[in-house]
Amino acid sequence: DTGVSQDPRHKITKRGQNVTFRCDPISEHNRLYWYRQTLGQGPEFLTYFQNEAQLEKSRLLSDRFSAERPKGSFSTLEIQRTEQGDSAMYLCASSLVLAGNTGELFFGEGSRLTVL
Amino acid sequence: DAKTTQPNSMESNEEEPVHLPCNHSTISGTDYIHWYRQLPSQGPEYVIHGLTSNVNNRMASLAIAEDRKSSTLILHRATLRDAAVYYCILRDGGTSGSRLTFGEGTQLTVNP
Repeated sequence: DTGVSQDPRHKITKRGQNVTFRCDPISEHNRLYWYRQTLGQGPEFLTYFQNEAQLEKSRLLSDRFSAERPKGSFSTLEIQRTEQGDSAMYLCASSLVLAGNTGELFFGEGSRLTVL
Repeated sequence: DAKTTQPNSMESNEEEPVHLPCNHSTISGTDYIHWYRQLPSQGPEYVIHGLTSNVNNRMASLAIAEDRKSSTLILHRATLRDAAVYYCILRDGGTSGSRLTFGEGTQLTVNP
């Protein structure tokens, strides 16, 4: 297993364009999380899935953001009509949550978005 | 979410022990104390977690105060590879798999 993988690693786009990021979690993990991180700050929670169900969304996730995990495996995060303020590192994490365990999160290396 | 307070930065010398403090005076009875770290240009990685008792693993030790209002992450012999931002996070154990809420963490510098 190669861990959590994210694609693309870097994306440069012009303001107003749409972008999509993909996350492939560790194969048996049932939880998948998206975070956003700007320079000098800790990661900020965006949303998470239990299998294919989206269980929680942060108020940071405006209507321009949408996330899916259609088959309970990989996930996509789409940002429509990008703004310069969307420039950040987008981190994906997965975990295996079972009764009695605490489900540590395994993070990918992130997808860095630059909006010009 | 219950909040944690950490120093913005700390410095250590290679091969010396490092004690990273965390205050969490509003911790609830079901909150676990988690530590993650983030190496440069990487996503965060799990270090250790505990509830009440001190914990040891291959990466570090976690010392938890008796009243649980503070804790200390101990790196027994710092290496250059331990230079990272260390996050102390409270996670509600009553809702398994709940999200982590990161603060700004402590930037650890390790001098050769």
